[in-house]
Amino acid sequence: EDQVTQSPEALRLQEGESSSLNCSYTVSGLRGLFWYRQDPGKGPEFLFTLYSAGEEKEKERLKATLTKKESFLHITAPKPEDSATYLCAVHIQGAQKLVFGQGTRLTINP
Amino acid sequence: DTAVSQTPKYLVTQMGNDKSIKCEQNLGHDTMYWYKQDSKKFLKIMFSYNNKELIINETVPNRFSPKSPDKAHLNLHINSLELGDSAVYFCASSQVLVGSRVHFGPGTRLTVT
Repeated sequence: EDQVTQSPEALRLQEGESSSLNCSYTVSGLRGLFWYRQDPGKGPEFLFTLYSAGEEKEKERLKATLTKKESFLHITAPKPEDSATYLCAVHIQGAQKLVFGQGTRLTINP
Repeated sequence: DTAVSQTPKYLVTQMGNDKSIKCEQNLGHDTMYWYKQDSKKFLKIMFSYNNKELIINETVPNRFSPKSPDKAHLNLHINSLELGDSAVYFCASSQVLVGSRVHFGPGTRLTVT
């Protein structure tokens, strides 16, 4: 069965303390992996799309990487405004939908 | 602003009632979706429409009926509301069916009492 699992469920960091969020997937075929950010009371906001193993994308303090089994969202020197829930989603080959993980709730303390 | 908008933002109603959520996108996208996010933040697709045609109905109860009057609108009507329907419902759109960035609306928090 196709599955997307994110870890940890919640992560609390001090401002400036770098870390990584994980999204592991077991799917029949990957067409693309998406990262979204969701603030409380708002809809998910698109961050990155990765299509093939070895691909990397960067935006400000965030960098997303992709292997054949997982994706990492690296956050470097985070700030309190980076606090949010980060969702990953996969587009599975042959399926006309995105399958989401359960998210990682990230809190950055000043 | 170009965006996906949905109304209402909050909906509180009693069991057994019928309610509707409206969604509009002005991004010129061909595909629209309804997603449900439960209390554990799990986001799951309910329906997708491409050029007003239903593409995905993800084993959603018949009490949920989407309607797409045109490419820019996808409304969700729910009959005989149940406690378990309480969740946040997100409308979304994308340029093509999957494969491209999905833009989400702000969500409608439905509470059934």
